[in-house]
Amino acid sequence: NAGVTQTPKFQVLKTGQSMTLQCAQDMNHNSMYWYRQDPGMGLRLIYYSASEGTTDKGEVPNGYNVSRLNKREFSLRLESAAPSQTSVYFCASRGTGQGFNSPLHFGNGTRLTVT
Amino acid sequence: KQEVTQIPAALSVPEGENLVLNCSFTDSAIYNLQWFRQDPGKGLTSLLLIQSSQREQTSGRLNASLDKSSGRSTLYIAASQPGDSATYLCAVLYTGTASKLTFGTGTRLQVTL
Repeated sequence: NAGVTQTPKFQVLKTGQSMTLQCAQDMNHNSMYWYRQDPGMGLRLIYYSASEGTTDKGEVPNGYNVSRLNKREFSLRLESAAPSQTSVYFCASRGTGQGFNSPLHFGNGTRLTVT
Repeated sequence: KQEVTQIPAALSVPEGENLVLNCSFTDSAIYNLQWFRQDPGKGLTSLLLIQSSQREQTSGRLNASLDKSSGRSTLYIAASQPGDSATYLCAVLYTGTASKLTFGTGTRLQVTL
């Protein structure tokens, strides 16, 4: 029972490089989310996808793009990495059994450093 | 601005003690409130979710309460154990915000032997 799987676990980039963070869930959840976690600031929503085929901006979308490849997979792309994007990135998913009252399930995170 | 605050930022208690973690929010128009646990280097694990119409939820040694009128929630941990050491975060789903949770910055709990 894998739940939410994120790859890679760690990544170091130089300023200006690009990369894609991968996320997959095996719980048949409709909604998926990307958050970043920074010390003293809590988790902030970058983008989310309420269902396959739809994506919407969250609180801090600048510098990021997303793709909801299918119901299982939701990727986050940094086109030109900046030091301000150094953070821990979490993917999460939510089922529809209880609508918004279904709990979020999180992956273990990707620790990204941009030098 | 809709915010979530958790005080204190860190707490250390001896094993066996009962303890309360606090979460406050700025707007009573909420859909639900969730408590999460985060271990170092790991993701968040959902502990309890309290719907807007509920006053409390219980799971084992954990009890979470919700008072919308005062904008407060508490997480009560009974008979604390060293394995309870982690960071505890609360998150609020405000109405009208689609599915965008607002997170607090967490309380880091250490339970000592």
